[in-house]
Amino acid sequence: DADVTQTPRNRITKTGKRIMLECSQTKGHDRMYWYRQDPGLGLRLIYYSFDVKDINKGEISDGYSVSRQAQAKFSLSLESAIPNQTALYFCATSDPQRGRGPGELFFGEGSRLTVL
Amino acid sequence: QKEVEQDPGPLSVPEGAIVSLNCTYSNSAFQYFMWYRQYSRKGPELLMYTYSSGNKEDGRFTAQVDKSSKYISLFIRDSQPSDSATYLCAMSARGNYQLIWGAGTKLIIKP
Repeated sequence: DADVTQTPRNRITKTGKRIMLECSQTKGHDRMYWYRQDPGLGLRLIYYSFDVKDINKGEISDGYSVSRQAQAKFSLSLESAIPNQTALYFCATSDPQRGRGPGELFFGEGSRLTVL
Repeated sequence: QKEVEQDPGPLSVPEGAIVSLNCTYSNSAFQYFMWYRQYSRKGPELLMYTYSSGNKEDGRFTAQVDKSSKYISLFIRDSQPSDSATYLCAMSARGNYQLIWGAGTKLIIKP
């Protein structure tokens, strides 16, 4: 089983619908992240959480919200989806105390979202 | 201008060739430099990590950082078809959690 699991892997929805992307991890890491990947733009940080009670906005948080239900679970919601939110979304975890510095992220396999 | 620039490619080379992938950046505060590899339909995975300047070697892979030129490179020796992937550079300043990413270079190794 994957250490970082994202559901759904693919989703097609319509403008205005509410969408939730879920992420769960078995790595035991405190830090979790949601990124968005678009062609030519690389990865952009949407939200991050350093523990259950800590939620922070990233570079592009407008139009998104998150919930950290437990150490292992971090969900991303689009309250009213719009077409320019069509993208590949990644959840990631990190544990700087055990890793090789601040940047070692462990990613899920991605959730491809299409908003029509 | 983006903070980190990376040629998106694709870069196509024959098997066995030496591959050079590069990123330039503008923020002189960056201290941590990473290369991630992303296969199609997969999440990125850390390939190489360096702190400050210098070289780091791991098997067929060598990462170089030239802070004076604000330029980082990843070299792949004896390239294999299994190296075909998108390579993303990422970097951050000391004490800063947030990574700044390049757009990624798609690499194709032809058998």
